[in-house]
Amino acid sequence: RKEVEQDPGPFNVPEGATVAFNCTYSNSASQSFFWYRQDCRKEPKLLMSVYSSGNEDGRFTAQLNRASQYISLLIRDSKLSDSATYLCVVPSGSARQLTFGSGTQLTVLP
Amino acid sequence: DTGVSQNPRHKITKRGQNVTFRCDPISEHNRLYWYRQTLGQGPEFLTYFQNEAQLEKSRLLSDRFSAERPKGSFSTLEIQRTEQGDSAMYLCASSEGGAYNEQFFGPGTRLTVL
Repeated sequence: RKEVEQDPGPFNVPEGATVAFNCTYSNSASQSFFWYRQDCRKEPKLLMSVYSSGNEDGRFTAQLNRASQYISLLIRDSKLSDSATYLCVVPSGSARQLTFGSGTQLTVLP
Repeated sequence: DTGVSQNPRHKITKRGQNVTFRCDPISEHNRLYWYRQTLGQGPEFLTYFQNEAQLEKSRLLSDRFSAERPKGSFSTLEIQRTEQGDSAMYLCASSEGGAYNEQFFGPGTRLTVL
């Protein structure tokens, strides 16, 4: 089993739609989690951090279910500019290196 | 620009040649990471420096790969005797110390081995 698994996607949604991405992780000892956004041919950038049950930032909500080892990202009122790949990320090891899922590609259509 | 910078941005080389990439982290960051990303996958951890000390190396880092951070500032990643399977985006990231500090990524060096 991979350490971090995500919905394979791709997701194609109309502007204004609500879309949710799911992610599962294998290390039950993990304490913190991140969602990174990566635009085509660009570097990943931090979107949200999740340390407790969840986090909300404007149109974005991340939820954590420790019992099920499951993290989700909800995007409300999708914008064209939300089109990107969303990476579920779990820090691990003494170096806090990041373990990434394979990413879920989102395209918001006009 | 005070972000993480990487050079070169693109490198095309022939199989068997050696290549070296450079990363300049954000100046006050003592942690530096190298990752590799192939098409359709998330980045994979390669190695980690705290100041000038290389403290973690992934199993992905074969003996053809070597990384340095001689003065605790910039870092270099060298690949010797490149193989076609080395073709990937090589990403550098830096962060401050602490358990939860955000890692900031550079734009990456895209390597193509012919």
